[in-house]
Amino acid sequence: DAKTTQPPSMDCAEGRAANLPCNHSTISGNEYVYWYRQIHSQGPQYIIHGLKNNETNEMASLIITEDRKSSTLILPHATLRDTAVYYCIVRVAGGNQGGKLIFGQGTELSVKP
Amino acid sequence: GAVVSQHPSWVICKSGTSVKIECRSLDFQATTMFWYRQFPKQSLMLMATSNEGSKATYEQGVEKDKFLINHASLTLSTLTVTSAHPEDSSFYICSAPPSGGSGNTIYFGEGSWLTVV
Repeated sequence: DAKTTQPPSMDCAEGRAANLPCNHSTISGNEYVYWYRQIHSQGPQYIIHGLKNNETNEMASLIITEDRKSSTLILPHATLRDTAVYYCIVRVAGGNQGGKLIFGQGTELSVKP
Repeated sequence: GAVVSQHPSWVICKSGTSVKIECRSLDFQATTMFWYRQFPKQSLMLMATSNEGSKATYEQGVEKDKFLINHASLTLSTLTVTSAHPEDSSFYICSAPPSGGSGNTIYFGEGSWLTVV
């Protein structure tokens, strides 16, 4: 089972920041949080991942709480092309299973003009 | 950056026939690859773990004789849907983590649409 819970849907106005929350209260100390998004009929697109510290790249920022039980993905200036389903995933750690990503239901983000 | 490629992007086959889908890591080696299936308006469901040089590991409820997985090299895994039926019609996606390290970026293929008629 997925170790994350996310709201099923969110709306965001174009040009505003989109803040997508994720709960992962049972995360282990060596497990990473990954974010992907999926646009209809395409494979998941990698966004960002992190372990403890906040991370930022050209696509987004990832804020992880100090207790690591939740995180927030921030798209600083959402555009219509950011409309997609966003998945927050805790990566299974170690061995041959260390790459295994169990998907939950994700958050369907709709960016509106 | 690293890329995972799937082939074919879409395929139509007749009931009772078999169809093979390839997953390649283009500029990195992957000792492990993962196969997922996705039905319309649903999330991705992990089917199996493909292990280079050994047998695949299947998730509960996935028929290993139905979905044959072969990890022929460090850059290629194949999924063969045997004796396909219309209920096997789905979007099949693979992923590949670069070997080494649990904090690596994991890339997904573009997906393969299978329609069984």
